[in-house]
Amino acid sequence: QQPVQSPQAVILREGEDAVINCSSSKALYSVHWYRQKHGEAPVFLMILLKGGEQKGHDKISASFNEKKQQSSLYLTASQLSYSGTYFCGTDPRIQGAQKLVFGQGTRLTINP
Amino acid sequence: DAGVTQSPTHLIKTRGQQVTLRCSPKSGHDTVSWYQQALGQGPQFIFQYYEEEERQRGNFPDRFSGHQFPNYSSELNVNALLLGDSALYLCASSPRREFIEQFFGPGTRLTVL
Repeated sequence: QQPVQSPQAVILREGEDAVINCSSSKALYSVHWYRQKHGEAPVFLMILLKGGEQKGHDKISASFNEKKQQSSLYLTASQLSYSGTYFCGTDPRIQGAQKLVFGQGTRLTINP
Repeated sequence: DAGVTQSPTHLIKTRGQQVTLRCSPKSGHDTVSWYQQALGQGPQFIFQYYEEEERQRGNFPDRFSGHQFPNYSSELNVNALLLGDSALYLCASSPRREFIEQFFGPGTRLTVL
């Protein structure tokens, strides 16, 4: 039931691009993306609602393939501040429940 | 506008003890969810409260219980603590009418010795 994220870890140089994938075995109502820095709370990045829309702000964007129950997070021209662990949270919206099931996380390290 | 606040920040308990964690939601939010995050793992859903009732529950034993007050603040209680309960406990709030975004609090780090 837990979504699967890939890769588990990524090491980049500043300015490089990264793609983080999130795959679920269940039909989804939405996918939420969070970034968590060490010792801090997860910070909301964006939500993708069913309908296959792609969203983004600044140099971080995401897509949601409703048919495949997959979402991808795209980070372009990465900055040092992008370092952290990225989590996707899936919302199956079963019986109206509003809760998130999180993946195991993808650790992103950006080096100068 | 204060975001989600949690107390205490850190807590050390011994096995068998009981603990109470507290959460105040973001202004305008009426729904509070609790998550447990073990080291190196994603947050795991414990339960959710709105209108002062537990509405959804994850796969956690009855030792985990909660409460929501009329001002929407919430408590998480854990009885008969086990070593495996050591984790970061996160509270998240959202408006019930529109589950678009959950705001997380800074968390309470619980260590069970």
